[in-house]
Amino acid sequence: DTGVSQDPRHKITKRGQNVTFRCDPISEHNRLYWYRQTLGQGPEFLTYFQNEAQLEKSRLLSDRFSAERPKGSFSTLEIQRTEQGDSAMYLCASSRSGRERDEQFFGPGTRLTVL
Amino acid sequence: QKEVEQDPGPLSVPEGAIVSLNCTYSNSAFQYFMWYRQYSRKGPELLMYTYSSGNKEDGRFTAQVDKSSKYISLFIRDSQPSDSATYLCAMSARSGNTGKLIFGQGTTLQVKP
Repeated sequence: DTGVSQDPRHKITKRGQNVTFRCDPISEHNRLYWYRQTLGQGPEFLTYFQNEAQLEKSRLLSDRFSAERPKGSFSTLEIQRTEQGDSAMYLCASSRSGRERDEQFFGPGTRLTVL
Repeated sequence: QKEVEQDPGPLSVPEGAIVSLNCTYSNSAFQYFMWYRQYSRKGPELLMYTYSSGNKEDGRFTAQVDKSSKYISLFIRDSQPSDSATYLCAMSARSGNTGKLIFGQGTTLQVKP
């Protein structure tokens, strides 16, 4: 079990640019979540996949944000036309449905800085 | 008003002290309660997982849930400098079985040697 991995770990971009982050969940986990965490705050839910289906999106996820999980394995989160307010840590978590304890395991996060 | 309230601290204690961390919540549908530990610039790490009301103990950590008061606590006994981190409470209603977590703001703890 190698844990949840995220790439890149850090991203610095200029306002208006597009960025894409990748998350590789724990291999047998069919549930995948994206959260956003700003400084001094707890993570906030963005979106959720069960296998390849995106089943829930937060109102925080504006039209500039899109997430995919094409084969039910890794996921990507793209932000188009980045704004300074998008600067945050983007966290990915995975879990396995059907278990008594639906524990979510988090990756190390991708820290985005928009200049 | 946020669904989950947590005192952000910071909380500073001497090594060996008993630490009490707390969260209150407003959504009575929450059934699953968790505590995560997050070191600086790292992802959250699950410490305790509790279903419904009651106590759960794991080593130096004890989690308590009081659903009638909508109040959860984490106690750390014999605190160590390595316990210095941000502690996040998280809750899930499991409504629709999405399992999304609602987090508190996090409490920053510093344990001084």
